[in-house]
Amino acid sequence: EADIYQTPRYLVIGTGKKITLECSQTMGHDKMYWYQQDPGMELHLIHYSYGVNSTEKGDLSSESTVSRIRTEHFPLTLESARPSHTSQYLCASRGNYGYTFGSGTRLTVV
Amino acid sequence: GNSVTQMEGPVTLSEEAFLTINCTYTATGYPSLFWYVQYPGEGLQLLLKATKADDKGSNKGFEATYRKETTSFHLEKGSVQVSDSAVYFCAPSGSARQLTFGSGTQLTVLP
Repeated sequence: EADIYQTPRYLVIGTGKKITLECSQTMGHDKMYWYQQDPGMELHLIHYSYGVNSTEKGDLSSESTVSRIRTEHFPLTLESARPSHTSQYLCASRGNYGYTFGSGTRLTVV
Repeated sequence: GNSVTQMEGPVTLSEEAFLTINCTYTATGYPSLFWYVQYPGEGLQLLLKATKADDKGSNKGFEATYRKETTSFHLEKGSVQVSDSAVYFCAPSGSARQLTFGSGTQLTVLP
């Protein structure tokens, strides 16, 4: 049973559109993360948060933004989608016993 | 920062074969070490972990031992099954509070 939820699972969207990828967790974890993963490639950290009103950029330069208004919610927004944004986006949270990942959102920008 | 070097895939084995996926890391201090698994179409899951030197993590028949002297955390399983087909990620985690992933190793087990 998943404790961290990502929606949508799949999204195909046109260039220039604004999109928000949703991520919610029910475990009360303060630390949350967004990763980007291309097929067969390693994961890259794009954003993370240590708690409410805390957000940081990760290792991979990204044109996305995040917000953390509530502990359980960590949405990622692309203001203007481009084909180069086509990838899988994974949300994760961290508790005392390790990381829990969502099922991911596979984004295709056409 | 922390980093890993993970055995490149893809790895293809027959059912009941012995599996080893090598992982070495560089880190400041003594991080916890993790193996994650990603089954087709699913999110990443924690497979096993070790929090200090000489600890052995184990789960679902998989094992990995935290070797400080060789900075390694190799994943092993004595007899793989078709259902073990997945991508495996080795990851150290330290005071940076970020998880640094290796490139992942694709494992395919044939019946």
